[in-house]
Amino acid sequence: EPEVTQTPSHQVTQMGQEVILRCVPISNHLYFYWYRQILGQKVEFLVSFYNNEISEKSEIFDDQFSVERPDGSNFTLKIRSTKLEDSAMYFCASSSQGALDSGANVLTFGAGSRLTVL
Amino acid sequence: GENVEQHPSTLSVQEGDSAVIKCTYSDSASNYFPWYKQELGKGPQLIIDIRSNVGEKKDQRIAVTLNKTAKHFSLHITETQPEDSAVYFCAATSRGAQKLVFGQGTRLTINP
Repeated sequence: EPEVTQTPSHQVTQMGQEVILRCVPISNHLYFYWYRQILGQKVEFLVSFYNNEISEKSEIFDDQFSVERPDGSNFTLKIRSTKLEDSAMYFCASSSQGALDSGANVLTFGAGSRLTVL
Repeated sequence: GENVEQHPSTLSVQEGDSAVIKCTYSDSASNYFPWYKQELGKGPQLIIDIRSNVGEKKDQRIAVTLNKTAKHFSLHITETQPEDSAVYFCAATSRGAQKLVFGQGTRLTINP
């Protein structure tokens, strides 16, 4: 079964350092997403990406965050200068369509990248 | 914006018994309600979903009910098995939207 793969599974970094989290979405999917889950809290939407541009972003997704599809297979989340409060599990997801309520469209998640900022 | 609340946060049931997890939502425009199961070391996986034009949907041992008037929906697992042990998330979204709003998650433990 096709899956979304994420690397690294766990990254530890010092406050102020840049971090790049990588994702390989399902190959025929066109919409890509990042969500995060701070320990003990809800899974929160960060950003959606389609046709090489951001289609929607949350208040959390400020100037410290950026996303990119550098080639035909990878989708990355960059945090420019990490803060302690960026410590969380970051989930990448992909879907074949943008409207999540439509037909057989399924949002498929990766296993997550745990980021620990010290 | 939409807010989804999920209860309970933890649930422990004996193998073979039923488990029920409940969620409420705030936005009457929400029309799609998926449930995800997250096993240890894996990402959330869709297990069942329901759209606002139906009140109930069943898939083998799993069922979801939706009450649009009260703005709540529930996941029912019957004849629970050890492999049902996981964290379950409910979510909601509205027509054409590209993001899901999640509940807090429920850690379900099935005791043999």
